[in-house]
Amino acid sequence: QKEVEQNSGPLSVPEGAIASLNCTYSDRGSQSFFWYRQYSGKSPELIMSIYSNGDKEDGRFTAQLNKASQYVSLLIRDSQPSDSATYLCASLDSGNTPLVFGKGTRLSVIA
Amino acid sequence: DTGVSQDPRHKITKRGQNVTFRCDPISEHNRLYWYRQTLGQGPEFLTYFQNEAQLEKSRLLSDRFSAERPKGSFSTLEIQRTEQGDSAMYLCASSLDNRSLIHFGNGTRLTVT
Repeated sequence: QKEVEQNSGPLSVPEGAIASLNCTYSDRGSQSFFWYRQYSGKSPELIMSIYSNGDKEDGRFTAQLNKASQYVSLLIRDSQPSDSATYLCASLDSGNTPLVFGKGTRLSVIA
Repeated sequence: DTGVSQDPRHKITKRGQNVTFRCDPISEHNRLYWYRQTLGQGPEFLTYFQNEAQLEKSRLLSDRFSAERPKGSFSTLEIQRTEQGDSAMYLCASSLDNRSLIHFGNGTRLTVT
């Protein structure tokens, strides 16, 4: 069974610090990886996608992928209180199987 | 592009009643997905459609659940004889194809009393 594992948190960081969110996946066939942000009571919002080993930067967000270690991470620089949310990691293989989600990590940015 | 639209936003029903939810995907998105999410969990896959064809159903989808996408546009998810354990957020998502980004609607929160 394909699984995506995340530490449920909460992860607390002070405002302005770097928040580091981690995710591991079990299926070596996974090709694409996504980070979704979910505010309480709201639906998931796609914030980053990554397909190749290495880093991908978008504003204050950097996604990192290491397929050999089956590890994905999301760094949030200059964390803001508005970044406080649950961050969901998801993986997709190259076939027709649907997106598989982790349970999410709750991030709290303290002002 | 108005995004994925779901209706209703909230539904409260009594155990044993039937409920139906609707999802309108992003225009021209061929793939439509249904997920369920309970508190503290990530979204769990239920089923998905490629146009009007239902291609996969999770074992989470008991025989009380049925989904349709009759014309390859909007989709409905019906739950018959609801149980308290059905209380959850039901999320619909769509994508252009199997390689495209998947975007979620605002969800329908179901409470079974």
